[in-house]
Amino acid sequence: DAKTTQPPSMDCAEGRAANLPCNHSTISGNEYVYWYRQIHSQGPQYIIHGLKNNETNEMASLIITEDRKSSTLILPHATLRDTAVYYCIVRPSQGAQKLVFGQGTRLTINP
Amino acid sequence: EAGVTQSPTHLIKTRGQQATLRCSPISGHTSVYWYQQALGLGLQFLLWYDEGEERNRGNFPPRFSGRQFPNYSSELNVNALELEDSALYLCASSGRGRVYTEAFFGQGTRLTVV
Repeated sequence: DAKTTQPPSMDCAEGRAANLPCNHSTISGNEYVYWYRQIHSQGPQYIIHGLKNNETNEMASLIITEDRKSSTLILPHATLRDTAVYYCIVRPSQGAQKLVFGQGTRLTINP
Repeated sequence: EAGVTQSPTHLIKTRGQQATLRCSPISGHTSVYWYQQALGLGLQFLLWYDEGEERNRGNFPPRFSGRQFPNYSSELNVNALELEDSALYLCASSGRGRVYTEAFFGQGTRLTVV
């Protein structure tokens, strides 16, 4: 019952910006957009989250459209260590708190 | 600050046995989530505990159970193990302030049922 849609795979050249899209057309007003990544059989790593404003941290930037129906995760200077499966998740601020993971995007950074 | 810790890292059990997996959340976090990730598959939500109570449960049979202790650590018990229970079991924790905080994951327990 994942509420997001992501491309199954993407490639990006090392050193370039990686832009990962996510559609969440049924997002509710109290739901945040979260991004996680999972590097080969490790525990998922939290990247960033946002409600409606664009967000930036040391790892990435999150751009959310004005209607909040889609978002883009940007890794500004991708490295080989960014190769992972990236998950976009919507999660309410209150109530049911489980993170529902979809299939994610397998991002491959090429040298 | 220590992250979410899980033990053991690997566990090998025989079909029909019981397995107990443990999770220590980040200090100050009151919520613990359990997920199952079978080889090559996605993360499937198992259980959510908050403040010692089970808050939500995924679509798993009753032989998957758990509990949360007063110090907010948690156990996942799997009874009558079946071969298809072989998977990476992941635990995550989050805190609660004005809103629930982001969840952080441990490195998982790899359970192998033979």
